[in-house]
Amino acid sequence: KAGVTQTPRYLIKTRGQQVTLSCSPISGHRSVSWYQQTPGQGLQFLFEYFSETQRNKGNFPGRFSGRQFSNSRSEMNVSTLELGDSALYLCASSLQGGHGYTFGSGTRLTVV
Amino acid sequence: SQQGEEDPQALSIQEGENATMNCSYKTSINNLQWYRQNSGRGLVHLILIRSNEREKHSGRLRVTLDTSKKSSSLLITASRAADTASYFCATDRGNNNDMRFGAGTRLTVKP
Repeated sequence: KAGVTQTPRYLIKTRGQQVTLSCSPISGHRSVSWYQQTPGQGLQFLFEYFSETQRNKGNFPGRFSGRQFSNSRSEMNVSTLELGDSALYLCASSLQGGHGYTFGSGTRLTVV
Repeated sequence: SQQGEEDPQALSIQEGENATMNCSYKTSINNLQWYRQNSGRGLVHLILIRSNEREKHSGRLRVTLDTSKKSSSLLITASRAADTASYFCATDRGNNNDMRFGAGTRLTVKP
């Protein structure tokens, strides 16, 4: 079966712009989680969606938002980009959440 | 904030040797998972151990869990150059499936 697909793979944006990242989970998986990975902070939890509802949210400012569609595909949006938002953004899906996560290859965002 | 902390931060060994990585966490958990990440790519799930289990094996991997010490260890036996990667522990505390990762151990296996 197809894995978790994240698009785009690479992105370069300018400070102040906004960006939308996409994640298509494994078919049948209803839970989608997002993580930000940087060399300094490691893997930081952003939020988790299940059946179009955000169930949990990490400690990120309101500039970071997300949503999930009825087909379980998810998007995350970052507005007013800052240099510190440069990171690898990873999406993970699972049937119910909690375990059995499958990760996508990530989107590498560079803010200049 | 991160839940788990891996130790050591980096480990370099020769092919054929065993590699042991440790993970400590702070709160009660439902389960603990280990993941591997090759440079700049997504994470690959290796093994899950539930809070009522003490040891689990999968191929060359052996994981132990000590809930009284809030710690886990991952042992890779007979390491190979292809095992070179970063290894992360992740804990599920059970509240809304909020899985938290440690900072990872960077393992280098020299051929």
